[in-house]
Amino acid sequence: NAGVTQTPKFRVLKTGQSMTLLCAQDMNHEYMYWYRQDPGMGLRLIHYSVGEGTTAKGEVPDGYNVSRLKKQNFLLGLESAAPSQTSVYFCASRTSGRNEQFFGPGTRLTVL
Amino acid sequence: QQQVKQSPQSLIVQKGGISIINCAYENTAFDYFPWYQQFPGKGPALLIAIRPDVSEKKEGRFTISFNKSAKQFSLHIMDSQPGDSATYFCAASRQGGSEKLVFGKGTKLTVNP
Repeated sequence: NAGVTQTPKFRVLKTGQSMTLLCAQDMNHEYMYWYRQDPGMGLRLIHYSVGEGTTAKGEVPDGYNVSRLKKQNFLLGLESAAPSQTSVYFCASRTSGRNEQFFGPGTRLTVL
Repeated sequence: QQQVKQSPQSLIVQKGGISIINCAYENTAFDYFPWYQQFPGKGPALLIAIRPDVSEKKEGRFTISFNKSAKQFSLHIMDSQPGDSATYFCAASRQGGSEKLVFGKGTKLTVNP
């Protein structure tokens, strides 16, 4: 039981490049979330999903897109990376009926 | 608009002392208040949580105190240990729908031996 895993762990991009971050969970959770963490800013919700095939915007969605084609996977895409997207990205999941969110280990992204 | 305000930003405590971190919220519809603990290089993990129908919840050395009228809640760590050194985040959400968590900005706790 791996819990929540994130791929890759680290990535360096140049401005304008695109990439996709993968989040996978093996707990059969319905809800999945993408956060970004910046120094002194806490965790801010980017996008979330309440089930397979559904996505919704969070607090800071601009510049990101997401997809949830399979229940166990939640993808976060950056179409044209900007230095302002340099951050640590966390994925989380939870089951319906329980509030606890389980977090992945994070992806550290640097955009030059 | 910051819906959950957390203080202090950083805290240094001696081993055996009491660590206290405070949070205040604005949205009275919030009804779930968790604290997450994060060690360097790791993702946050749920430490303890409370609902507004109780004023206090204790789990081992960790206690949440909740003041509904003041819209405040706090985390108390008794007998603080060097292994408690981490960043702590308070959060809040409301029932129904997606239960999105709104996080405070975090408190970096250092417990000196």
